[in-house]
Amino acid sequence: DTAVSQTPKYLVTQMGNDKSIKCEQNLGHDTMYWYKQDSKKFLKIMFSYNNKELIINETVPNRFSPKSPDKAHLNLHINSLELGDSAVYFCASSQTGQGDEQYFGPGTRLTVT
Amino acid sequence: AQSVSQHNHHVILSEAASLELGCNYSYGGTVNLFWYVQYPGQHLQLLLKYFSGDPLVKGIKGFEAEFIKSKFSFNLRKPSVQWSDTAEYFCAVNPTSGTYKYIFGTGTRLKVLA
Repeated sequence: DTAVSQTPKYLVTQMGNDKSIKCEQNLGHDTMYWYKQDSKKFLKIMFSYNNKELIINETVPNRFSPKSPDKAHLNLHINSLELGDSAVYFCASSQTGQGDEQYFGPGTRLTVT
Repeated sequence: AQSVSQHNHHVILSEAASLELGCNYSYGGTVNLFWYVQYPGQHLQLLLKYFSGDPLVKGIKGFEAEFIKSKFSFNLRKPSVQWSDTAEYFCAVNPTSGTYKYIFGTGTRLKVLA
């Protein structure tokens, strides 16, 4: 069974469109995260939710809106996509969010043309 | 601001060579430390972690890392690399002061030549 899954794996879209990426974890973890990995492989945290509550919101444009309908899901919606949004987006989860190992999803490669 | 530095961006080694990847962080308080590996086309997975106790920690696949508090460092080592160790390696820091944040370094791309 996949611990942390993301859909879709690849997403190609045009500038100005709105798109969503879904993430689900079946590990029973309390905390989930979204990371952006740019072309230089730099991994930067975007958001973190603990028990459906937003606890980390880095300096991310408000075109990005995370939603956590329940503890096992954390979705990422992006409005008005821009070229600079092209990256690989990783979802992750951890038991408590404080010092635990993070389990990463396979990533979603977003290409904005 | 908290940050993690990995000074070696690209490393190329021959099989059986020894490996040491540097990781330094800037944070004055207590931290939890991690090394993750990302094999080509795969997601990140944990190699090893340090929370407390013995500063020399052993991980999977023969990797180990040493926490030197005075140097704010957590370098990753392996005595003899294999071709299958070709991957991207990330150091990460999690301050223990109640934050849920994990700060990642910029990664080191290791290529092992057969």
